[in-house]
Amino acid sequence: QQPVQSPQAVILREGEDAVINCSSSKALYSVHWYRQKHGEAPVFLMILLKGGEQKGHDKISASFNEKKQQSSLYLTASQLSYSGTYFCGTGYTGNQFYFGTGTSLTVIP
Amino acid sequence: DTEVTQTPKHLVMGMTNKKSLKCEQHMGHRAMYWYKQKAKKPPELMFVYSYEKLSINESVPSRFSPECPNSSLLNLHLHALQPEDSALYLCASSQDGTGIEKLFFGSGTQLSVL
Repeated sequence: QQPVQSPQAVILREGEDAVINCSSSKALYSVHWYRQKHGEAPVFLMILLKGGEQKGHDKISASFNEKKQQSSLYLTASQLSYSGTYFCGTGYTGNQFYFGTGTSLTVIP
Repeated sequence: DTEVTQTPKHLVMGMTNKKSLKCEQHMGHRAMYWYKQKAKKPPELMFVYSYEKLSINESVPSRFSPECPNSSLLNLHLHALQPEDSALYLCASSQDGTGIEKLFFGSGTQLSVL
């Protein structure tokens, strides 16, 4: 039931862009994106609900494909503060909320 | 107040001890969650309470016992834990538990079982 993310890890230089993918074998009820820094709680980034939806704020945006089986998170002009582990998550049937496998992102100067 | 408060932040216990983790929110949320997170792994869903009733139990061993005394409080009672239960325990809440609203997380309890 757990969505699969790719890549597992990525290292960027400041200013570079990254794409993180989240895939499921069945349609997702919704897709959430969270970022977690080491030793801290996950922090909400955004939710997408509809197939074909795109959403974003500042330099972080996300898309949800028409079949609702894949979502991508786009990070542009990365900053040091973007470092952390990114998780997609989904509530397949409402309150059963599962996290994806995670992507570790490190931004270096 | 948009906080979820967890206590204690750190806990060390022996395998014969009984302890409890506490989680509190005052946002009027009616869904509350317990997750377990091992290092470098995603959080794993343990329990979900929806409107103070246990709605999801992800086949968690009985040495973990959740309790929701009221809509603002969530406890996790621990008894006879094993060293492999050492992990970060995260509490979260959401408005109604419908899957379309964001989860608010507490900062977690780092548990070590000796």
